[in-house]
Amino acid sequence: SAVISQKPSRDICQRGTSLTIQCQVDSQVTMMFWYRQQPGQSLTLIATANQGSEATYESGFVIDKFPISRPNLTFSTLTVSNMSPEDSSIYLCSVAGTGNYGYTFGSGTRLTIV
Amino acid sequence: EDQVTQSPEALRLQEGESSSLNCSYTVSGLRGLFWYRQDPGKGPEFLFTLYSAGEEKEKERLKATLTKKESFLHITAPKPEDSATYLCAGEGGSNYKLTFGKGTLLTVNP
Repeated sequence: SAVISQKPSRDICQRGTSLTIQCQVDSQVTMMFWYRQQPGQSLTLIATANQGSEATYESGFVIDKFPISRPNLTFSTLTVSNMSPEDSSIYLCSVAGTGNYGYTFGSGTRLTIV
Repeated sequence: EDQVTQSPEALRLQEGESSSLNCSYTVSGLRGLFWYRQDPGKGPEFLFTLYSAGEEKEKERLKATLTKKESFLHITAPKPEDSATYLCAGEGGSNYKLTFGKGTLLTVNP
């Protein structure tokens, strides 16, 4: 299965600022997924990122707030813009596995907004 | 709207005490039902995928089963190292979207 490197692993940010999270995969993948995991809540899909096209956002998530880049088949970034305390969460990237390995997840970015 | 519900929210077992976790799902066009393990500060770790009702898969002390409405994760003679949050997710729709439950926090005491 793919190995995903995600960074930063955690950060504390001031409200109103923006943070970019990076996700690097050790193999080429068509689709990359970005999730949010809020305390006590389930993982929620933010958007799906395909190389060479605009990301597809789920209901409740917009590009202005969560812009995504996908410059090649092994890398993607998620920016959390104009952050407020409600954005404090864990953000994870994911790729589809091969064979019987399901979806692989990065280790996550724990974001705290103060 | 797709929905996945896990129960119980938390489960505390003694080492060796077998039990089951439940995952009820309503996912349109279900293609697969996934089980993951998540340790604190880490991303979910893949355990199983089940594709059709009646299917069963095993890995060490864990066995996952699937019916048309729910899935079970059976834990036989658990050990303290099995302590983690167990997540269930259904894959459906045209965009390969995973719908997750909130998870079951399992604690196994020695």
